[in-house]
Parts: sequence; C-alpha cells; structure tokens
Amino acid sequence: GEDVEQSLFLSVREGDSSVINCTYTDSSSTYLYWYKQEPGAGLQLLTYIFSNMDMKQDQRLTVLLNKKDKHLSLRIADTQTGDSAIYFCADEGGGFKTIFGAGTRLFVKA
Amino acid sequence: ETGVTQSPTHLIKTRGQQVTLRCSSQSGHNTVSWYQQALGQGPQFIFQYYREEENGRGNFPPRFSGLQFPNYSSELNVNALELDDSALYLCASSRNAGTQDHTGELFFGEGSRLTVL
Repeated sequence: GEDVEQSLFLSVREGDSSVINCTYTDSSSTYLYWYKQEPGAGLQLLTYIFSNMDMKQDQRLTVLLNKKDKHLSLRIADTQTGDSAIYFCADEGGGFKTIFGAGTRLFVKA
Repeated sequence: ETGVTQSPTHLIKTRGQQVTLRCSSQSGHNTVSWYQQALGQGPQFIFQYYREEENGRGNFPPRFSGLQFPNYSSELNVNALELDDSALYLCASSRNAGTQDHTGELFFGEGSRLTVL
C-alpha cells in the first residue's frame, strides 16, 4: 500500500536553513503536501506542490520534488524559534485519502 | 468563515464503553475525513464522508463508524473501546475532488483527545 516516510528529528540554530526530507511510494500522486502541527493543535497546510512541478517557492519555503526518486523536501530559510513544530509530509495519491508520514520534529535553538 | 470545530476537546472512557465525537465542517466544504493520531505518530486515515455516504475507509475495524448530516457536519462513533484507541481524533473538511479549485487541501480541527483506561 501507499507509504510516506520521513526522518523523525531535526535540530537547527536560529537563522540557519532547515531541510526536511520525505519519500513516498504512490506514483499516482497528484499533489504532495507539507503540513505543520504546533503543540496541542490540529494540522495546518504550509504549502503543496503539483506532481508535474519540480520546485515551488513561497516566501521562506522552498519545496523540491524528484518524481523519479519519489523524494520531496521542504527547505525553510532563516529558521526562527516560532518554526519549532512537527512537519508532516503528505501524499494525496490517486484516491480519496491523504496519507501522512510520521512527522519530523523541528527544534530551533536560539 | 467558520473553521472546523470538534467536540469534546478531551474525554476519558473505560474499556468496553462507546464514544461519539462530533465535527462541524468549514462553510462551503461538503467532504469530511476522520483521522486517528496516536502519540508521536502521524495521522492515520479512518474514513471519509461525502454527501452523507462513506466515500472510502482506511484499515480500521467495523467498530469505528461514522455519519454525515445534511449540513455536512459529521460524527465518529467507536464501540467496545480498547486501550489502543487512546489517541487524538482529527476531523478535516475539504471541497470535493470534482470542484474546479480542488487542491486536496484538508482543513483540520484541533481534535478530540480520547483516553481509554
């Protein structure tokens, strides 16, 4: 079945760039997403990329998609302490359900 | 625009009991999905409702059931609770895949945290 995998932890210093990586298995994905979850809250969409794109930039966020390797990454430039959260990679696939990875916990040190 | 709201926010039940969780979808959204998020895990898809019918189901037993109402709000019912059912239950609403501006974005509520003792 479909699967999404991502590294569990990332620690960076304030002002550095953060790169969170993800791999997925479903080759029929139309959209791939990055969601953010802050403590005690639901998930919120950060950004998404359409499957026929290689890159998408949105202010401090850059998403790179390598369809051949089924690899997705999220780069956060100038990471701030407010960026500390859990980041989920997600895959819409070709069906009705969005599949989420286990989440990458980003710690930003001041 | 009202966002997705869920109730209750927290509840404690004992093994064998039954629970009903409620969700009001964001205005303009006709599709509701339910997810289970265990501690330290990503959300796992339970099922989705569209136009009051179940539109797809994940790997959850039949004791997990749901309803969607004409106003697109939804309920998740879990019978015969087990300890492993302890989790955050997230409701997400979305526009149907057939709509012109569909991107598949899910709009999540803050969840109902269920503890089973």
